[in-house]
Amino acid sequence: GQQLNQSPQSMFIQEGEDVSMNCTSSSIFNTWLWYKQDPGEGPVLLIALYKAGELTSNGRLTAQFGITRKDSFLNISASIPSDVGIYFCAGQRGSTLGRLYFGRGTQLTVWP
Amino acid sequence: DTEVTQTPKHLVMGMTNKKSLKCEQHMGHRAMYWYKQKAKKPPELMFVYSYEKLSINESVPSRFSPECPNSSLLNLHLHALQPEDSALYLCASSQGFRSYNEQFFGPGTRLTVL
Repeated sequence: GQQLNQSPQSMFIQEGEDVSMNCTSSSIFNTWLWYKQDPGEGPVLLIALYKAGELTSNGRLTAQFGITRKDSFLNISASIPSDVGIYFCAGQRGSTLGRLYFGRGTQLTVWP
Repeated sequence: DTEVTQTPKHLVMGMTNKKSLKCEQHMGHRAMYWYKQKAKKPPELMFVYSYEKLSINESVPSRFSPECPNSSLLNLHLHALQPEDSALYLCASSQGFRSYNEQFFGPGTRLTVL
């Protein structure tokens, strides 16, 4: 199935730094979702975006739904060690029976 | 409460065994999903149930057999699996299929096929 282009593939940063990752697609989506997954656990929903141009925050996390509806980014400010994990973007179209199209993930490592 | 539960947490089985994975949600969601995930890869959709009826089967081999006994429960029956079927199996649920219906994932079952 279609996968989104998510970058970067991995990031190694120091505690306190800000992080930015993004997803792009050749197709339009109605919904963008950002998940975080810890090793051996299921993905946890961080932020959901529903409208083009929408900017939404959840604590230190901020995500935006691109104006073209073909991209989204996630920012994490003042990173902490527990931010370590894999971050997945996922797009959803209204006509595809709930199917999610996932990015390949961004592996985030935070050094204390 | 946005909780999806899955049992067991870990499962080891031989290629001739029959086992089942279970998933439960009490959020009143009417859509439930099974995903397979290999290490460091995104989840891959296997099955989608809507109102207890199978809506999507992503050409999954018949050794995987899903079942939705009621709106809160989803099972995945396993028989004659292969070692390459070893993976994290995730269940998810959503209120429906429209926008504003986010998918919530369970913690997964780590399956090892010997």
